[in-house]
Amino acid sequence: DAGITQSPRHKVTETGTPVTLRCHQTENHRYMYWYRQDPGHGLRLIHYSYGVKDTDKGEVSDGYSVSRSKTEDFLLTLESATSSQTSVYFCAISANSGNYGYTFGSGTRLTVV
Amino acid sequence: ELKVEQNPLFLSMQEGKNYTIYCNYSTTSDRLYWYRQDPGKSLESLFVLLSNGAVKQEGRLMASLDTKARLSTLHITAAVHDLSATYFCAVDINFDTDKLIFGTGTRLQVFP
Repeated sequence: DAGITQSPRHKVTETGTPVTLRCHQTENHRYMYWYRQDPGHGLRLIHYSYGVKDTDKGEVSDGYSVSRSKTEDFLLTLESATSSQTSVYFCAISANSGNYGYTFGSGTRLTVV
Repeated sequence: ELKVEQNPLFLSMQEGKNYTIYCNYSTTSDRLYWYRQDPGKSLESLFVLLSNGAVKQEGRLMASLDTKARLSTLHITAAVHDLSATYFCAVDINFDTDKLIFGTGTRLQVFP
């Protein structure tokens, strides 16, 4: 009974095509985040949201956009996928109470060929 | 530039031995988190450290935070194979938005 789900779990796409990853939560948390994980870099923040229609950039936001039209959904879009965007993408949610940190989704493995 | 550095990056240790993973960060923060990640899996919360001097223990793992030194440690006591995983520290750099900056991770391998 996961409070956060990501879809798809795996995707292979061609260079230049748009791709949208979805993060869905049932916890009613205000804060949602998209990170990418690459070997040697840990997790790097792409974009985050602090409420419906309220989003901001992270440290590696170039080539990515996000939208949050409902509390429960946070979408990450690669406008025109490139090979450098091959990665594992994690969504996370936070109640911002400071007491628990993040809860992570299961991740999406994206391969751009 | 904000940095969160972990060392070592890779740790191979024998069962029964003790070792410490270090997490240094370059900005002021009183909130630090430790996560565990098994291969091919998501990240699981281990410890939440919310003040200077905070110490948390769970089984064979103990985490501490020294905000003045900007240092957190994750100490492993009498390692067992089940502890094999990658461990990440993460620093909260903005309490209003709960933005976390992650270290590069320490891959721990425990062998018999």
